[in-house]
Amino acid sequence: EAQVTQNPRYLITVTGKKLTVTCSQNMNHEYMSWYRQDPGLGLRQIYYSMNVEVTDKGDVPEGYKVSRKEKRNFPLILESPSPNQTSLYFCASSLYDPTEELHFGPGTRLLVL
Amino acid sequence: GQQVMQIPQYQHVQEGEDFTTYCNSSTTLSNIQWYKQRPGGHPVFLIQLVKSGEVKKQKRLTFQFGEAKKNSSLHITATQTTDVGTYFCAVDSNYQLIWGAGTKLIIKP
Repeated sequence: EAQVTQNPRYLITVTGKKLTVTCSQNMNHEYMSWYRQDPGLGLRQIYYSMNVEVTDKGDVPEGYKVSRKEKRNFPLILESPSPNQTSLYFCASSLYDPTEELHFGPGTRLLVL
Repeated sequence: GQQVMQIPQYQHVQEGEDFTTYCNSSTTLSNIQWYKQRPGGHPVFLIQLVKSGEVKKQKRLTFQFGEAKKNSSLHITATQTTDVGTYFCAVDSNYQLIWGAGTKLIIKP
């Protein structure tokens, strides 16, 4: 089944404890992206990647890192999480770029205490 | 930078009534996408509009792209409980997607 997977789905952590949210897609998509969703603010892009080893900042990159060492994986890294990073996170992918249909993962709900 | 205004934020309807959400931009858009997010779920692609004045239909959903390509609408005829969720528009800006804030469709009990 063609899909985007994220892990973990739910995470409670404490301020300053490094964490990684994994994202993987099995559709051979070139474009991958991370979003955060907060009530009343819609979806805001954190980072995106047009291809392997190519990553760019989105609208809200502060406090986040990403890597794209393989085409299928695009992990999101929070080196020192803070409470303002409590949010719902979505990974998404599309065949070539965001002008095409985006396929979203199921989401990761993060709470930083 | 590119911004898109989506209204209304919420719409409460009786089952069987119609629903409409609008997206507006101050600049001409190259294309616009529409997504639906069910409660507790993730956004799911509905459609993309590219041409000026384009109208596309999916069963009870009608999507329109304005003649000037600065606005778009999604209209649902005779809403059903399965339509509940938040509808988002998204516009391309230099290979990034800029999202509207979404319109939440709520069916009155």
